Amino acid sequence: GQQLNQSPQSMFIQEGEDVSMNCTSSSIFNTWLWYKQDPGEGPVLLIALYKAGELTSNGRLTAQFGITRKDSFLNISASIPSDVGIYFCAGQRGTYKYIFGTGTRLKVLA
Amino acid sequence: NAGVTQTPKFRILKIGQSMTLQCAQDMNHNYMYWYRQDPGMGLKLIYYSVGAGITDKGEVPNGYNVSRSTTEDFPLRLELAAPSQTSVYFCASSYTGAGPYNSPLHFGNGTRLTVT
Repeated sequence: GQQLNQSPQSMFIQEGEDVSMNCTSSSIFNTWLWYKQDPGEGPVLLIALYKAGELTSNGRLTAQFGITRKDSFLNISASIPSDVGIYFCAGQRGTYKYIFGTGTRLKVLA
Repeated sequence: NAGVTQTPKFRILKIGQSMTLQCAQDMNHNYMYWYRQDPGMGLKLIYYSVGAGITDKGEVPNGYNVSRSTTEDFPLRLELAAPSQTSVYFCASSYTGAGPYNSPLHFGNGTRLTVT
């Protein structure tokens, strides 16, 4: 099945650093979603984007819906230890079809 | 508000056994979904439902069955379990209406299934 190209696959960063990750696709999406998954739990929604070019923030997180509608970006500013986890992007096409990225595993060095 | 509740949290099955994974949501969402997550991978859609009495196949439906007799419940049935079905299973729900701003997916905490 189709999946989004999400990068980087994993990253180690120092506490306090900024983080950037992105998702790209060859297809156009109507909605982009960013989720965080902690160990042993289900994905939790961080940010939802509904319009091309939209820039939305949630605390230290900022996400953007790419102008071409084929990509999206998530930035985390001033990372802290609790940012550890797996970040997933998801693109929505149509009323039910969500395509998920393979995840970015974030590990923070204190 | 409990959101999406999945049971059990863990299960070990022998090859050929069957079981039902339970999922319930209390948000009055019309759409419900079952995904599986294999190690290091994203989520793959098994089945989905757009409302009570209506279900349809996703990307990887083989070996599974679902039913949706009520808006709240969406159980996933595994018949003749196989090692390839070892995975983490997530149920999700969303509200999808006529407008552009449908609610995003809300996930349960998953069922970790091992088939040996």
